[in-house]
Amino acid sequence: DTAVSQTPKYLVTQMGNDKSIKCEQNLGHDTMYWYKQDSKKFLKIMFSYNNKELIINETVPNRFSPKSPDKAHLNLHINSLELGDSAVYFCASSPGAEQYFGPGTRLTVT
Amino acid sequence: GEDVEQSLFLSVREGDSSVINCTYTDSSSTYLYWYKQEPGAGLQLLTYIFSNMDMKQDQRLTVLLNKKDKHLSLRIADTQTGDSAIYFCAESRDDYTLSFGAGTTVTVRA
Repeated sequence: DTAVSQTPKYLVTQMGNDKSIKCEQNLGHDTMYWYKQDSKKFLKIMFSYNNKELIINETVPNRFSPKSPDKAHLNLHINSLELGDSAVYFCASSPGAEQYFGPGTRLTVT
Repeated sequence: GEDVEQSLFLSVREGDSSVINCTYTDSSSTYLYWYKQEPGAGLQLLTYIFSNMDMKQDQRLTVLLNKKDKHLSLRIADTQTGDSAIYFCAESRDDYTLSFGAGTTVTVRA
């Protein structure tokens, strides 16, 4: 009964491929997020999604697109993967001030 | 990163108190947070404080906020080996999007 879950946990793929990471939360929260953690452990917001309103961090390339089929899911789709996309991607959800994070997906682009 | 700063490393003896410090630049920050990340794991919300508070205590954890100096600290009493982890300071404004510091790696030695 994990609160925020992500699949897959590990993803290894080649440059140029398209991949998706799935996120599900069973907490009934209204807002979901995607964060990227680089090799130096630095965390940066990519997207937040609330009631069909998407707020995009302007530094995120448009190869990245979040897709929300329903309130409990926010998937991350990445087109034309590049070496620099290698990182750990975290999904989070919140009812307001508190954010609860998933276990992360380690993406390695070769 | 650049809006939230933390020292990178802290070494503490088991049983002693740990104090992790953080400074932030945005005076409009609404909430300030401490997250814990163990190796290979996601981020665990330890505690957070509303910007109009100056102290919050939760079992072994004490958060102090000096809003005038934009300084946040986390004190862990009776530090245990299980407290070894990376601790992230974060701040958010009204949209609840988190801005993280670079993380402080805490090593607990016997």
